[in-house]
Amino acid sequence: EAAVTQSPRSKVAVTGGKVTLSCHQTNNHDYMYWYRQDTGHGLRLIHYSYVADSTEKGDIPDGYKASRPSQENFSLILELASLSQTAVYFCASSGTAPNSDYTFGSGTRLLVI
Amino acid sequence: AQKVTQTQTSISVVEKTTVTMDCVYETRDSSYFLFWYKQTASGEIVFLIRQDSYKKENATVGHYSLNFQKPKSSIGLIITATQIEDSAVYFCAMSREDTNAYKVIFGKGTHLHVLP
Repeated sequence: EAAVTQSPRSKVAVTGGKVTLSCHQTNNHDYMYWYRQDTGHGLRLIHYSYVADSTEKGDIPDGYKASRPSQENFSLILELASLSQTAVYFCASSGTAPNSDYTFGSGTRLLVI
Repeated sequence: AQKVTQTQTSISVVEKTTVTMDCVYETRDSSYFLFWYKQTASGEIVFLIRQDSYKKENATVGHYSLNFQKPKSSIGLIITATQIEDSAVYFCAMSREDTNAYKVIFGKGTHLHVLP
């Protein structure tokens, strides 16, 4: 069954440390996305990618980098984690048509202390 | 600026009744796409239903239907015969065109509580 798998499911990180969140999809989708969810803010787009080896900035990219080494894999990197980056992070994939719906991963709960 | 607004933060209904969740959007695009997603208590987010702006007929999937009022930039989600398991957070979303891709922006969500 096609799916989007995120790892880890949860993580505790130290302020100033490096954090890498991973996402793997088996949907054969070209587009992948990283969203952040905070209480009261809904889902906000951090980075996205429409082809391997290329990433684009979303609406809130500051403090985050992304990497898309293959069609299936998309990582979100926090080089210097900060308290304000405590949130739940969702990866999603979609087809290329503008009316394509998203398939979401289960989310990664990140706590920065 | 393109925007999606859900003004209802929380709604409570009795099981087996009908509920409508509101959503208004702003866009300059002549063609756009609107979605509703459901986030369960476990955190899983799933796609429910979509409305293409050029279609006049309201979309329906199972016990979910949409009330699309284009002149009012409104896309309401209607759930008929609600069940306890419909309790969740519902997100309205809109696809917008960007430099190299279509991206989706989300509203802040409406928390639906279905009571026995």
